Amino acid sequence: SQQGEEDPQALSIQEGENATMNCSYKTSINNLQWYRQNSGRGLVHLILIRSNEREKHSGRLRVTLDTSKKSSSLLITASRAADTASYFCATGSRVRFGAGTRLTVKP
Amino acid sequence: GAGVSQSPRYKVAKRGQDVALRCDPISGHVSLFWYQQALGQGPEFLTYFQNEAQLDKSGLPSDRFFAERPEGSVSTLKIQRTQQEDSAVYLCASSPRRGGQPTDTQYFGPGTRLTVL
Repeated sequence: SQQGEEDPQALSIQEGENATMNCSYKTSINNLQWYRQNSGRGLVHLILIRSNEREKHSGRLRVTLDTSKKSSSLLITASRAADTASYFCATGSRVRFGAGTRLTVKP
Repeated sequence: GAGVSQSPRYKVAKRGQDVALRCDPISGHVSLFWYQQALGQGPEFLTYFQNEAQLDKSGLPSDRFFAERPEGSVSTLKIQRTQQEDSAVYLCASSPRRGGQPTDTQYFGPGTRLTVL
């Protein structure tokens, strides 16, 4: 069964805008990861946040984690057309994935 | 350095045929994972190896699916008597060992797209 569930399922924005997507999970975790998958390409790891962390930054990415609500959010600032992809959250050492958020950034 | 590679990249099989999908993990990575990804869905966990030991095969959908990693490096996912519902992208990932414990970050290959006619 998939651990993480992303919301929204699809998101369309203009280049330069920020994109926020959310992830909810069901059981306790050691860490949560976000991955990106471009059309026709494999999954690429973006960022990992540990259960004792509340916020983490990597370039234009900002991830938050609220273990009390069992939720995480991924913020992409100043989006670019190249950010168009599906974004997945995943938990656990076996890395269970949700169905993903399909982000489209229009030039 | 070289990433995870998978072969073939595309495979078309007639229903009932057996197929074998290969994964070459990043050199030295202890952990290896197989996932199945249907169109428009996230990857579904199939099985996990630590070195040559298959520690978790709970995601294999039926006994037609079999995976092995005999020498703790290259892995093969075999599907016997393929059916149309087996059509999907099969992703392989490997994970390094850090501090004596397997880490959770996984590095994915490009996948093998299997189409069963």
